[in-house]
Amino acid sequence: AQSVTQLDSHVSVSEGTPVLLRCNYSSSYSPSLFWYVQHPNKGLQLLLKYTSAATLVKGINGFEAEFKKSETSFHLTKPSAHMSDAAEYFCVVSEGPRGSYIPTFGRGTSLIVHP
Amino acid sequence: DGGITQSPKYLFRKEGQNVTLSCEQNLNHDAMYWYRQDPGQGLRLIYYSQIVNDFQKGDIAEGYSVSREKKESFPLTVTSAQKNPTAFYLCASSLHRGRGTEAFFGQGTRLTVV
Repeated sequence: AQSVTQLDSHVSVSEGTPVLLRCNYSSSYSPSLFWYVQHPNKGLQLLLKYTSAATLVKGINGFEAEFKKSETSFHLTKPSAHMSDAAEYFCVVSEGPRGSYIPTFGRGTSLIVHP
Repeated sequence: DGGITQSPKYLFRKEGQNVTLSCEQNLNHDAMYWYRQDPGQGLRLIYYSQIVNDFQKGDIAEGYSVSREKKESFPLTVTSAQKNPTAFYLCASSLHRGRGTEAFFGQGTRLTVV
């Protein structure tokens, strides 16, 4: 069975400082992993995805994530936060075959950016 | 433009009434999903469909029903049996081609029971 744990419900940073959003996963198969961002009352936008190629994945808006199999982690980082990064972030795992590639979501991390 | 359209954006329902949320996609995606979002709980899967005329229950299907008569459409009905229906509902679709296939999301419907 697949599952995702986002280790922080809220992360608060100052503008211009680094961002770290932590995600651990559990999967019986080689998983695909994703990070999505959601702004208030909006749908979800894909930031990046890991599918077994390079372990360091670069996404949109300067975000990147590193897949670490030994730690079952897929943490999201950004070198310098911007006010527009304030949003809810979701780590997602999908696997097959019983998982049927159905996306399973973590509970989300709210990123707060202070001026 | 290709995408997923959910309607309406806001919906108010009286207790005891059924209500149907619309989800249409023109991405030619095989799979479609309905998720419910509550604060602090992430997205929880209600129903999903990987092919026309077939659908499966997700983790929280009780009090909900769906149909998949056309590839483009996957409406969700919130029945009076759903005890706490007030939530944000998100529809998604994907190609369902296996590993690495990401889901695309609509803008959501906020349902409020009054």
